[in-house]
Amino acid sequence: KAGVTQTPRYLIKTRGQQVTLSCSPISGHRSVSWYQQTPGQGLQFLFEYFSETQRNKGNFPGRFSGRQFSNSRSEMNVSTLELGDSALYLCASSLAPVEGANEKLFFGSGTQLSVL
Amino acid sequence: AQKVTQAQTEISVVEKEDVTLDCVYETRDTTYYLFWYKQPPSGELVFLIRRNSFDEQNEISGRYSWNFQKSTSSFNFTITASQVVDSAVYFCALVVSGSARQLTFGSGTQLTVLP
Repeated sequence: KAGVTQTPRYLIKTRGQQVTLSCSPISGHRSVSWYQQTPGQGLQFLFEYFSETQRNKGNFPGRFSGRQFSNSRSEMNVSTLELGDSALYLCASSLAPVEGANEKLFFGSGTQLSVL
Repeated sequence: AQKVTQAQTEISVVEKEDVTLDCVYETRDTTYYLFWYKQPPSGELVFLIRRNSFDEQNEISGRYSWNFQKSTSSFNFTITASQVVDSAVYFCALVVSGSARQLTFGSGTQLTVLP
């Protein structure tokens, strides 16, 4: 069974640009969550999508957005990139058989975004 | 608000030594879940264990064991007879009931096992 797939693996952008990251969850998983990992702030929750609806959002500015498609694949978008957006962006999927269930998350290898 | 503290930033041991990674958490919720994840250099977080707040029984899985103590709000992780392949960053995380996938992570402990 394929794991969580994130593309691209590495990305270099310049300030002011926008970027879209993609995440394909494990087959059958309905929930996709996004996390940002930086050396200074550590791992921080961005948002979660379940059945194409955003259910939870972390404390990030509106420049960070996402969506989920009917096949559970998810994308996150960051507009007007800033230097501080340089980070490893991790996607996680889970079965979520029951909304709100606290089952384990399966993480992808992440997209390393560098903003110059 | 929830908080997870991993006071050990880096630990270095020699192969075959035992090592314990500390995790202290804060939450006002009575129902919560605690996790440990391993992050190798490849980047993905690998699930190790999940424990709910009502189950204080310690758990052993091969060379790994976990000690959950609600009285001290700690969920420590011990690796027995460490191996070089155990070298990674280890994260402790907490999620409260109803918050589903919104984990609060500790800052991580970089474990280096030397041959």
